[in-house]
Amino acid sequence: GESVGLHLPTLSVQEGDNSIINCAYSNSASDYFIWYKQESGKGPQFIIDIRSNMDKRQGQRVTVLLNKTVKHLSLQIAATQPGDSAVYFCAEKWEYGNKLVFGAGTILRVKS
Amino acid sequence: DTAVSQTPKYLVTQMGNDKSIKCEQNLGHDTMYWYKQDSKKFLKIMFSYNNKELIINETVPNRFSPKSPDKAHLNLHINSLELGDSAVYFCASSQGDRGRRVYGYTFGSGTRLTVV
Repeated sequence: GESVGLHLPTLSVQEGDNSIINCAYSNSASDYFIWYKQESGKGPQFIIDIRSNMDKRQGQRVTVLLNKTVKHLSLQIAATQPGDSAVYFCAEKWEYGNKLVFGAGTILRVKS
Repeated sequence: DTAVSQTPKYLVTQMGNDKSIKCEQNLGHDTMYWYKQDSKKFLKIMFSYNNKELIINETVPNRFSPKSPDKAHLNLHINSLELGDSAVYFCASSQGDRGRRVYGYTFGSGTRLTVV
């Protein structure tokens, strides 16, 4: 089926620590993956993406790792800040119709 | 300027009513979407339009009817509202596939629909 699942529904980290959010995807034909951040009362906001021909991509304080062998995606946030508190979603793009299928989301709570 | 704007932001209505949510994007994208986010934050695609043409129509009740007057607008009309329709509805847009590249995929801020 079209399910993208997250292992940890809630992650609490201390400010300044690194955060790792994990995601399992189901469609081995997916060729593009995106991480989104959703703050309360707002729409999902693009963080970083990665194509299936890559296994790692870095942005500003964020890194996405892709393991196609086990269909696993992770988002690493360095030096987590209170402003990083949000719900994080991974999404995979299915070839047909440019359709993004979202995972269930992980709540990230940053403790000061 | 807001890239993807939805109106209204909040909508409270009684069961059985008909309501519409409007969406407009000024990004020049050619594909627009409606997603539904339930109380558990799960986001599920409902519809996708590319240049006013329906591309994706997930298993959504016939009471939901999208309308795209032009590629910058995608409205969602819901007939005979039910309690289970209560959710946050997000509009999004992207530039369609050019080969294997995907551009954009920007979301609006959502419309919280409450059916009482």
